[in-house]
Amino acid sequence: GESVGLHLPTLSVQEGDNSIINCAYSNSASDYFIWYKQESGKGPQFIIDIRSNMDKRQGQRVTVLLNKTVKHLSLQIAATQPGDSAVYFCAENNIHGNEKLTFGTGTRLTIIP
Amino acid sequence: EAGVAQSPRYKIIEKRQSVAFWCNPISGHATLYWYQQILGQGPKLLIQFQNNGVVDDSQLPKDRFSAERLKGVDSTLKIQPAKLEDSAVYLCASSLDLGAGGPREQFFGPGTRLTVL
Repeated sequence: GESVGLHLPTLSVQEGDNSIINCAYSNSASDYFIWYKQESGKGPQFIIDIRSNMDKRQGQRVTVLLNKTVKHLSLQIAATQPGDSAVYFCAENNIHGNEKLTFGTGTRLTIIP
Repeated sequence: EAGVAQSPRYKIIEKRQSVAFWCNPISGHATLYWYQQILGQGPKLLIQFQNNGVVDDSQLPKDRFSAERLKGVDSTLKIQPAKLEDSAVYLCASSLDLGAGGPREQFFGPGTRLTVL
């Protein structure tokens, strides 16, 4: 069936460096993508989203890139801080449906001081 | 603004026992979701409510799981009887109405960690 998956389960980055987390999706009907951050013992927290009619969207220290040709999504975090350590999930949605989110497995990002 | 509240935060039961989880969404949020998150995996939608009506329960194991949102605000999720594989974090989320205007951000509660022995 359709699924959202991540390339790497873990990623370690030196504090201050930039990090890139990748995600592959397979449902070509998905038209909305979201990145969530989940810290230990907490629920997922919205970071940034992007619609399928866009290739790039920037937030504060974060950028999401969408490549629809190869069905690939990435999250770039600039100047990483210890507080960025968490599990990051990409999720896909069909906004013309019932807005049901399908989450990927997640990537654990560890920031090394 | 108060976030999504869930209780209990932790629950340990033996298999074949029953358990119930409670969720209070953000005030004014018509849509409520229950997710199951198994360790090491992303959340999986179990059921979605719009006010007190079910929008999607296609992934809810209806032989043992049930959920209700009788007054369109609080919701309970019940498992009866529990199995070992039900050990997971159960997340509740809420969002504003579905429909026109584009997708609505889902706000998640802290979850209830269930351990079935």
